[in-house]
Amino acid sequence: AQTVTQSQPEMSVQEAETVTLSCTYDTSESDYYLFWYKQPPSRQMILVIRQEAYKQQNATENRFSVNFQKAAKSFSLKISDSQLGDAAMYFCAYRTVSGNTPLVFGKGTRLSVIA
Amino acid sequence: DVKVTQSSRYLVKRTGEKVFLECVQDMDHENMFWYRQDPGLGLRLIYFSYDVKMKEKGDIPEGYSVSREKKERFSLILESASTNQTSMYLCASRQGGTKNIQYFGAGTRLSVL
Repeated sequence: AQTVTQSQPEMSVQEAETVTLSCTYDTSESDYYLFWYKQPPSRQMILVIRQEAYKQQNATENRFSVNFQKAAKSFSLKISDSQLGDAAMYFCAYRTVSGNTPLVFGKGTRLSVIA
Repeated sequence: DVKVTQSSRYLVKRTGEKVFLECVQDMDHENMFWYRQDPGLGLRLIYFSYDVKMKEKGDIPEGYSVSREKKERFSLILESASTNQTSMYLCASRQGGTKNIQYFGAGTRLSVL
């Protein structure tokens, strides 16, 4: 079974600085999707960024980028120029390419942003 | 915008009560999911459904059942609520196919006393 591990339960970053959240996963599949979701204190979970395993290029969405290392099964999220609104729980998730399979989530990292 | 609506943000129930958590999505998604979220445990899948009247067990189905009579609505049922079912419950939906994004509701915080 696939598993997703987030080894940092809590992280903090100074406003305007850069922070990297770690995620590793275990799978025997060669093609799959990886995601980072953000859950602010209001609880609505939203997608931050998505990576397709067959693409070697790392995904980027504005201040958010990933470092995808397929051989190492590592998928870290980098947040640049951190803002107070980035404070949230961040969840790494995995899914196979089969159409109806559910996401498998890590346990999350709580990010605090210090003004 | 996709909207996934959970009928209650907060619920307080008594041990032994039958509890219904309702979830409705407005984008004609095939797939719907119920997760439970607890501190330190992340999101754990309870049940999911990939079509009307179809359901699949997730990782922690014990003590729960589900119903999907219409495509847009997916209900989570606690047949006899227990205190260890006090938790945050998240509903999600996703279009069928390989690339589609999963959307979440705002969550229902259930307290069983």
